[in-house]
Amino acid sequence: QVTLRESGPALVKPTQTLTLTCTFSGFSLSTSGMCVSWIRQPPGKALEWLALIDWDDDKYYSTSLKTRLTISKDTSKNQVVLTMTNMDPVDTATYYCARMRIGDAFDIWGQGTMVTVSS
Amino acid sequence: EIVLTQSPGTLSLSPGERATLSCRASQSVSSSYLAWYQQKPGQAPRLLIYGASSRATGIPDRFSGSGSGTDFTLTISRLEPEDFAVYYCQQYGSSQITFGQGTRLEIK
Repeated sequence: QVTLRESGPALVKPTQTLTLTCTFSGFSLSTSGMCVSWIRQPPGKALEWLALIDWDDDKYYSTSLKTRLTISKDTSKNQVVLTMTNMDPVDTATYYCARMRIGDAFDIWGQGTMVTVSS
Repeated sequence: EIVLTQSPGTLSLSPGERATLSCRASQSVSSSYLAWYQQKPGQAPRLLIYGASSRATGIPDRFSGSGSGTDFTLTISRLEPEDFAVYYCQQYGSSQITFGQGTRLEIK
């Protein structure tokens, strides 16, 4: 069974750096074609794609947030980590990680973790 | 970046009716890498359709996807009470993945 679970702080202060961890099971990120992505959703708003890392350690970022994001993986721990610098109240959102197999879209999602940015 | 525009913003229908949701891309979507997701309040999105027309595992056959290039459609043939939710399209054929703004399907 494939599962993903996001973890990280529920509250961060403006200008701080957010670090989120996606811990997954049921697949290996070293398998050809496998990817993990981060997506966020502000309250009451649409989904926004943030970043993706693939089995070959290639990384892709949203153009609008590229300068603030870093995605990395630890294959031995089955984890993908996203850092976002210089947090602002507009970054308040539920952050999801999801699995993608090339060509198959985001087939399995984590439950999401709500992050509030406030002083 | 490919911009996806979904219409209508809100669709009001009754159970048993047919729903047609549209997703238009600002440029051609590579290899028909277009997906549809359903999201209910307080839940993560659920993949319904990938590759424009392939149903994901466990998705009922009343859900179907069609289209290519820049115009795509999600059709729900006969609405069940559990189908009332928000639906998003997504393109994943470029290095910049994008989502549409969503269509809210509400009970009339």
